[in-house]
Amino acid sequence: ELKVEQNPLFLSMQEGKNYTIYCNYSTTSDRLYWYRQDPGKSLESLFVLLSNGAVKQEGRLMASLDTKARLSTLHITAAVHDLSATYFCAVATNTGNQFYFGTGTSLTVIP
Amino acid sequence: GAVVSQHPSWVICKSGTSVKIECRSLDFQATTMFWYRQFPKQSLMLMATSNEGSKATYEQGVEKDKFLINHASLTLSTLTVTSAHPEDSSFYICSARDYRSSYNSPLHFGNGTRLTVT
Repeated sequence: ELKVEQNPLFLSMQEGKNYTIYCNYSTTSDRLYWYRQDPGKSLESLFVLLSNGAVKQEGRLMASLDTKARLSTLHITAAVHDLSATYFCAVATNTGNQFYFGTGTSLTVIP
Repeated sequence: GAVVSQHPSWVICKSGTSVKIECRSLDFQATTMFWYRQFPKQSLMLMATSNEGSKATYEQGVEKDKFLINHASLTLSTLTVTSAHPEDSSFYICSARDYRSSYNSPLHFGNGTRLTVT
């Protein structure tokens, strides 16, 4: 069974600060996704990472993938309140194409 | 962009009754849809993979007789929670991918259905 773990589970940070969320997974996969979920809402796709060393950036968020280490990171630069949400990484299996989600990181940005 | 519509958004039912949740892809066709369950402040757990025109594939530990999935067309999958009990109360989310899109493209998610069983 594919396991996907994120840390930290909860993150409270001040506006303007930087921080990194980590996503580790247990089996070989070359497709990793990051999603954002606002309270009571569905999931919004943020990044798609498809190869070792892939790096994607959008605004204050940057995601990277190291398939050898089975690790992805989501880096937040100069956080703002609007980034408060829960962030999930998801790993897709190479065979069945199912997505398995990480434990989630609940981010709160404090003014 | 690709839109997945889920209905209802919320439902309250009594123990012992059955509830049907619909998941529709509005502007694309999906040969495969996925059903997830999410408990408060927890992650999404994959319940089953819904395959158009064939039986769903259930994840380990998910009761197929409890959670009936039907994928009768390329735009509609339904999840029926049979003989619901309070422990079935949860947030259910469906997702799909346009069958014409790249294998690598992200899943599109419905807005979820919050089920409360009293």
